[in-house]
Amino acid sequence: DTGVSQNPRHKITKRGQNVTFRCDPISEHNRLYWYRQTLGQGPEFLTYFQNEAQLEKSRLLSDRFSAERPKGSFSTLEIQRTEQGDSAMYLCASSLREYTGELFFGEGSRLTVL
Amino acid sequence: DAKTTQPTSMDCAEGRAANLPCNHSTISGNEYVYWYRQIHSQGPQYIIHGLKNNETNEMASLIITEDRKSSTLILPHATLRDTAVYYCIVRVQGGTYKYIFGTGTRLKVLA
Repeated sequence: DTGVSQNPRHKITKRGQNVTFRCDPISEHNRLYWYRQTLGQGPEFLTYFQNEAQLEKSRLLSDRFSAERPKGSFSTLEIQRTEQGDSAMYLCASSLREYTGELFFGEGSRLTVL
Repeated sequence: DAKTTQPTSMDCAEGRAANLPCNHSTISGNEYVYWYRQIHSQGPQYIIHGLKNNETNEMASLIITEDRKSSTLILPHATLRDTAVYYCIVRVQGGTYKYIFGTGTRLKVLA
């Protein structure tokens, strides 16, 4: 257990529905990341927060995806109008700015879009 | 960030040393080498990182060649629990600290 918590762990939804994932990072960590991972591939960077500010977004993050980190604590990743191609594991990670840059990953939220 | 090349898969006998190579021939002087691993159905786990000197911690050793164009992660006494995908990543220290993962090496430790 790294201390990074993600919920729900599994989500099955029908195409066109909206889904939201939550990430609770390690409490003193001011950096938070979202990654997406499909079968057989390494994690792909989606977006990054420093405190409450979203400082970087991948081009992978279409306008159906939105992420927030109100008050610089937990974060949510929402996918609107889900498509079958959104089926993946969504990973959250956090780190301390002043540290080596080591990322602590949660166990992920697996999304299946039917 | 520089690109890395790793073998797709490797096997290792339990109790033996596992040596996982990584090529990063375009690495820049300010880029560090990081290793993470991902055990099935879990998030990636940090193992070790280095700039140019060899590094050792409780999990592994990292050997970086003098020209820094390649490195080797060594698990000194592999166990079945070390079966995982191992990712070698090079990145600049600073900025967003994001990692660009490749497809990694799938290490299978055999009993």
